[in-house]
Amino acid sequence: RKEVEQDPGPFNVPEGATVAFNCTYSNSASQSFFWYRQDCRKEPKLLMSVYSSGNEDGRFTAQLNRASQYISLLIRDSKLSDSATYLCVVTKGNNNDMRFGAGTRLTVKP
Amino acid sequence: DAGVIQSPRHEVTEMGQEVTLRCKPISGHDYLFWYRQTMMRGLELLIYFNNNVPIDDSGMPEDRFSAKMPNASFSTLKIQPSEPRDSAVYFCASRRANNYGYTFGSGTRLTVV
Repeated sequence: RKEVEQDPGPFNVPEGATVAFNCTYSNSASQSFFWYRQDCRKEPKLLMSVYSSGNEDGRFTAQLNRASQYISLLIRDSKLSDSATYLCVVTKGNNNDMRFGAGTRLTVKP
Repeated sequence: DAGVIQSPRHEVTEMGQEVTLRCKPISGHDYLFWYRQTMMRGLELLIYFNNNVPIDDSGMPEDRFSAKMPNASFSTLKIQPSEPRDSAVYFCASRRANNYGYTFGSGTRLTVV
């Protein structure tokens, strides 16, 4: 079993849609959680951290369920510019062992 | 802030040749990471440094790979001899201590033919 597993995608949604991505992790000792965004042929960029209480940044909401070892990302009112691959990232204690999921590709269409 | 700078952006080389990838981290960042990304395996951590000292190289695939960080502003990843299966995008990333956010460089796309 992979350490970090994500919805395979791709997700193709119209502008304005709400879309949710899921991610599960296998190591219960994992301590920090993130979502990164990667545009085609570009480097990954930090989108947001994921906190136990859940957190929101504009149209983006991240949730963490430690009991189920599950992370989610919700995007509301999708924009064309949201088209990218979204990577779920999980770390162990020292934040220097970041495990990336394979990514979920999102395409937002007009 | 120029960000993490990697060179070259693209490298095409023949099997058996030595390849050297370069990285300049963001000034003041204490940690430097080398990652490899392929379609089959996704992003994999190869090695990371803290204050120029290699801390964990367990992700380095084999002895053909080596990495150095002679000073705080420069690191190299060397593959000798290169093989076609080494073809991938190699990313360098850096971060400050006590800051979770990594900044990645633009990557080096390596093709070994």
